[in-house]
Amino acid sequence: EDKVVQSPLSLVVHEGDTVTLNCSYEVTNFRSLLWYKQEKKAPTFLFMLTSSGIEKKSGRLSSILDKKELFSILNITATQTGDSAIYLCAVRSTGRRALTFGSGTRLQVQP
Amino acid sequence: SQTIHQWPATLVQPVGSPLSLECTVEGTSNPNLYWYRQAAGRGLQLLFYSVGIGQISSEVPQNLSASRPQDRQFILSSKKLLLSDSGFYLCACQPYSGNTIYFGEGSWLTVV
Repeated sequence: EDKVVQSPLSLVVHEGDTVTLNCSYEVTNFRSLLWYKQEKKAPTFLFMLTSSGIEKKSGRLSSILDKKELFSILNITATQTGDSAIYLCAVRSTGRRALTFGSGTRLQVQP
Repeated sequence: SQTIHQWPATLVQPVGSPLSLECTVEGTSNPNLYWYRQAAGRGLQLLFYSVGIGQISSEVPQNLSASRPQDRQFILSSKKLLLSDSGFYLCACQPYSGNTIYFGEGSWLTVV
């Protein structure tokens, strides 16, 4: 059974701080890892990672995958209050049609 | 790009009553469709997925069912709701040629 563990479960920081969110996984026949941001309703797609060591970047957000150690990190630099959300990590394995999600990290950025 | 419509957005139902949540997708054909449930502040649990009309796979035993009467329509149902069915239900879509899953706005269900 595929398994995804995120840490920390929750995090409170101040504007301007840099945060690192962690995602470790155990899957059979890994295919890809995805990060989502969920503010109020629908999770919105951030990144999809398939190869080790290649950083994906979008503005202040970046993510990298380590397929040897079976984890990924999501970095947010110069955090803003608008970054407050639940960040979800999910993995897909070959032969499985659906994503397996972690329990999420709830990030709160205080002014 | 695809658009996922999900309704109703909010629902309060008594225990033992039936349920029907509907999801329709625009902008893509022959997508994979999913129903996920999210308990308060938790991750997403896969309930059902479908790779085509009439093809439903269930991930967890429960008193919910799903149907896909048309290519871009996915329905989540129950004949008799339980208190434990309360939660946030998300419909999701993976376009036929894509690797990413996109989500609808979700439906909040409270069973009282």
